[in-house]
Amino acid sequence: EVKLQQSGDELVRPGASVKMSCKASGYTFTDYAMHWVKQSPGQGLEWIGTIIPLIDTTSYNQKFKGKATLTADKSSNTAYMELSRLTSEDSAVYYCAPERYYGAFDYWGQGVMVTVSS
Amino acid sequence: DTVLTQSPALAVSPGERVSISCRASEGVNSYMHWYQQKPGQQPKLLIYKASNLASGVPARFSGSGSGTDFTLTIDPVEADDTATYFCQQSWNDPPTFGSGTKLEIK
Repeated sequence: EVKLQQSGDELVRPGASVKMSCKASGYTFTDYAMHWVKQSPGQGLEWIGTIIPLIDTTSYNQKFKGKATLTADKSSNTAYMELSRLTSEDSAVYYCAPERYYGAFDYWGQGVMVTVSS
Repeated sequence: DTVLTQSPALAVSPGERVSISCRASEGVNSYMHWYQQKPGQQPKLLIYKASNLASGVPARFSGSGSGTDFTLTIDPVEADDTATYFCQQSWNDPPTFGSGTKLEIK
């Protein structure tokens, strides 16, 4: 069974950074690209970017370049996303999801709620 | 970016048939996918590549369309289908999502 276990919710100060994790199990981690999606009340669902764990290649939505950094650790089947210079606009739920079918996401992590507040 | 337009909300009675539309600002071939999301939960894939039923999804759900106009149909609707439904395209870069259609079961 495919499982994606994301790290816990975060409360962070404006200007700080946060790094979250997504541990995959139930499939071969290097077989599929891992994507990250932001969900906020005002902006709906937004695709942040993707990493191909096998070759550590990343691709980002232009909107999130400089904001998000994606990495992956093949030894622990874990993907990471770091968000930098946080503002209130970054308060949202962040999901990881592997791409297995034509760009669709059939499994999602449970989400990490990031709250940016002083 | 490809903009996906969905109507904000629909209300139907149990047992009825409902169609939820998604219109793309440019062609996406058949690379349109549909998700159901209930409050406090992650999205759940229903349909991939326009018309393919995802694993474990009841056959009451179906999808159709190609190019720029797509439809998710639920027939018959059940009370548990109360949720927000999103479309997502993966043909053009970056992948984009619709703003969601909130389905209320009367």
